[in-house]
Amino acid sequence: DGGITQSPKYLFRKEGQNVTLSCEQNLNHDAMYWYRQDPGQGLRLIYYSQIVNDFQKGDIAEGYSVSREKKESFPLTVTSAQKNPTAFYLCASSIKGVLVTGELFFGEGSRLTVL
Amino acid sequence: GDSVTQMEGPVTLSEEAFLTINCTYTATGYPSLFWYVQYPGEGLQLLLKATKADDKGSNKGFEATYRKETTSFHLEKGSVQVSDSAVYFCALSDLADTGRRALTFGSGTRLQVQP
Repeated sequence: DGGITQSPKYLFRKEGQNVTLSCEQNLNHDAMYWYRQDPGQGLRLIYYSQIVNDFQKGDIAEGYSVSREKKESFPLTVTSAQKNPTAFYLCASSIKGVLVTGELFFGEGSRLTVL
Repeated sequence: GDSVTQMEGPVTLSEEAFLTINCTYTATGYPSLFWYVQYPGEGLQLLLKATKADDKGSNKGFEATYRKETTSFHLEKGSVQVSDSAVYFCALSDLADTGRRALTFGSGTRLQVQP
């Protein structure tokens, strides 16, 4: 079945460690996105990529990094510079840029807890 | 920049009650508007959308009308079911929001329907 796969589903990290969240899609979508979800704050955009080898910062990019070497993959690294990394992270994709279709397809999310 | 404001939750209703979740927006241009739903333990999925003023989006018994004069896109359902319990997010996309090629989400409203 086509879809977006995020892994791991749950992740624990010690302070000062970097961690990489995986996001893979087999929908042949051009654009991919990372959002962070915190209680009461909705979804905030971290990074997005409209084509391979290109990506743009979102509203809260500090302390995060991404790469887009393949169309189907958009991993997110949470670095030790991120002050408050404990959150639920959602990856999404869209056929073309989301402004064309308006529809994002989401993965099931990764919950990161910093101990 | 653009923003979306939703009523705070949780909203608790009895089965078969009428539902309204308020959503208002601020946008530079003429945005497209969306409602997404997140069921427990899952990612978000598109519920309905409207791309221009006075359009009505509808799906699964839910409706929302794009009101440009009041900058609103309130979600309604005539008779809720327990299975409608979820978090509902209002979102917009705005071509005039220079450089931003992603959806802007509200903070989400949790709906709890009791039998």
